[in-house]
Amino acid sequence: AQRVTQPEKLLSVFKGAPVELKCNYSYSGSPELFWYVQYSRQRLQLLLRHISRESIKGFTADLNKGETSFHLKKPFAQEEDSAMYYCAPLNRDDKIIFGKGTRLHILP
Amino acid sequence: EPEVTQTPSHQVTQMGQEVILRCVPISNHLYFYWYRQILGQKVEFLVSFYNNEISEKSEIFDDQFSVERPDGSNFTLKIRSTKLEDSAMYFCATLQGAGPMNTEAFFGQGTRLTVV
Repeated sequence: AQRVTQPEKLLSVFKGAPVELKCNYSYSGSPELFWYVQYSRQRLQLLLRHISRESIKGFTADLNKGETSFHLKKPFAQEEDSAMYYCAPLNRDDKIIFGKGTRLHILP
Repeated sequence: EPEVTQTPSHQVTQMGQEVILRCVPISNHLYFYWYRQILGQKVEFLVSFYNNEISEKSEIFDDQFSVERPDGSNFTLKIRSTKLEDSAMYFCATLQGAGPMNTEAFFGQGTRLTVV
């Protein structure tokens, strides 16, 4: 069965500390992987995708096919990073499935 | 910048009534989705729509639900005989889908449905 696991419901990190939001997936084939973010009172929006291998707002995510993981990382957390983060694979059926999400809370 | 628009932003309805949630997709997008998010829970896939038909639907999307594109622009979600547990935020999303870099989903701001 296709599954996305984000093990942490809430992650609290001090400002300036490194951040890692975990995501593991269980999918047949090679899904395209995304991280979406929802800031307070804003709509869900794309943060980054693995295919473009770019850094957005200091975040990066490396696809590890061996571990079937796509963890989101940032070396130094900022207060404006506080938000809800969703790992979301897009499969061949063009269905986007969201993980349960991790609420990132940056402590001052 | 083009965006997905949903109306209404908030709908209150009595249990047993029918509601229609509306979405205006981005004009050149080919794939359309409805998701819902019950308060405090994750974003759940309901249905995807492509080429004027449902391409996939979840277990949640039973006979109570239907979708259509009545006029080629609006994309609607109809919920018949609403129940208390249908209370949630409903999100519309669209995706262009033509080409490997056109797979970003754009979300509407959501419709909060409250069934009383």
